[in-house]
Amino acid sequence: GEDVEQSLFLSVREGDSSVINCTYTDSSSTYLYWYKQEPGAGLQLLTYIFSNMDMKQDQRLTVLLNKKDKHLSLRIADTQTGDSAIYFCAESIPAGNTPLVFGKGTRLSVIA
Amino acid sequence: NAGVTQTPKFRVLKTGQSMTLLCAQDMNHEYMYWYRQDPGMGLRLIHYSVGEGTTAKGEVPDGYNVSRLKKQNFLLGLESAAPSQTSVYFCASSRTGLAGIPDTQYFGPGTRLTVL
Repeated sequence: GEDVEQSLFLSVREGDSSVINCTYTDSSSTYLYWYKQEPGAGLQLLTYIFSNMDMKQDQRLTVLLNKKDKHLSLRIADTQTGDSAIYFCAESIPAGNTPLVFGKGTRLSVIA
Repeated sequence: NAGVTQTPKFRVLKTGQSMTLLCAQDMNHEYMYWYRQDPGMGLRLIHYSVGEGTTAKGEVPDGYNVSRLKKQNFLLGLESAAPSQTSVYFCASSRTGLAGIPDTQYFGPGTRLTVL
């Protein structure tokens, strides 16, 4: 079955880079996503990557995908206190009618 | 566009009481979902719907019922609330789950439910 794994906690200093890692099991995933959840709020889509891409960059965010190892990472450059949140990795399985599979989330704490 | 809205935002129930959570979306999305979020458990899918008039079970459907009578609304019902159903409930919607199209889900702000 599908499974998405993430470490639960990450702590970084303001100004450093953060790297949040995710592994998934289903090699037929088509899209992989990163969502951000700020305290008391719902999940917000940050970025996604198509499974035939290795990298996607969007301002301070860099997504790296290693399809062979089924490993996805999110790098946040120049991490700010406003980046403190829970980050969820999710995968989309083809063949329709199948919801996204989410990881349990990584809580990022940014120390000033 | 309001996106995805949920009512109520907070609710306290006594064990055995019933209630309905309402989710509404104005994006004409086909798919709608109900999740619960508990500390250390991440998001768990309760039920979902792939279109008006359809529903399907997710990972943790027991104790919940859902209905999708109108495309824009997805209702989550608790017939006899239990303390184990204390959680934050999130609704989400997406355009489609077809291969080749991003299945981006848009989330509501959540409903915090406490069952005493």
